[in-house]
Amino acid sequence: AAGVIQSPRHLIKEKRETATLKCYPIPRHDTVYWYQQGPGQDPQFLISFYEKMQSDKGSIPDRFSAQQFSDYHSELNMSSLELGDSALYFCASTKRFSSGYTDTQYFGPGTRLTVL
Amino acid sequence: GESVGLHLPTLSVQEGDNSIINCAYSNSASDYFIWYKQESGKGPQFIIDIRSNMDKRQGQRVTVLLNKTVKHLSLQIAATQPGDSAVYFCAESFGYSTLTFGKGTMLLVSP
Repeated sequence: AAGVIQSPRHLIKEKRETATLKCYPIPRHDTVYWYQQGPGQDPQFLISFYEKMQSDKGSIPDRFSAQQFSDYHSELNMSSLELGDSALYFCASTKRFSSGYTDTQYFGPGTRLTVL
Repeated sequence: GESVGLHLPTLSVQEGDNSIINCAYSNSASDYFIWYKQESGKGPQFIIDIRSNMDKRQGQRVTVLLNKTVKHLSLQIAATQPGDSAVYFCAESFGYSTLTFGKGTMLLVSP
């Protein structure tokens, strides 16, 4: 079965540079979530999109922005990178039901961002 | 969520033992709960889920128990294998809301 695809898998940037992370959800999934995970920590929700509109916002810094495109893939844009942005970034996708529930969130393999 | 930093709670078991991992969730309105397994450097992998209208659900070698009275969730793994070694997270949500992850528990299985 197709899974969530993330690219790149590894990214090394210098402080103050910008980075763009991409996420391709499971086919027919309409909702995408972005998470940040530091070492030994649980995933922290950043932002989500449903049908190309921002759905919810978590602890996403103002330096970050994201969007979901017409083909449902999503991109997380990170500017003015700081050392503390070094982390694993996960994308998850799911499908929203009209009943008021979402299906399970399935996670991608993540992008490891290292800021030097 | 609050982080335990690099010192995750750890459960050490012998191969073949049954494992029980516990989780206290925070929102009494949550109606959907998931257990994820995460191996080092990989994304969380779905194990099993349960909705709030159930108190038990079984999968292959795994069982999830939900006690809404005390807001407690547990994951039972039967006949634990070395390949089960990973960090396990519970997560909760309500309706369309985002997942809130609990603190992870590291499971170490010795041969």
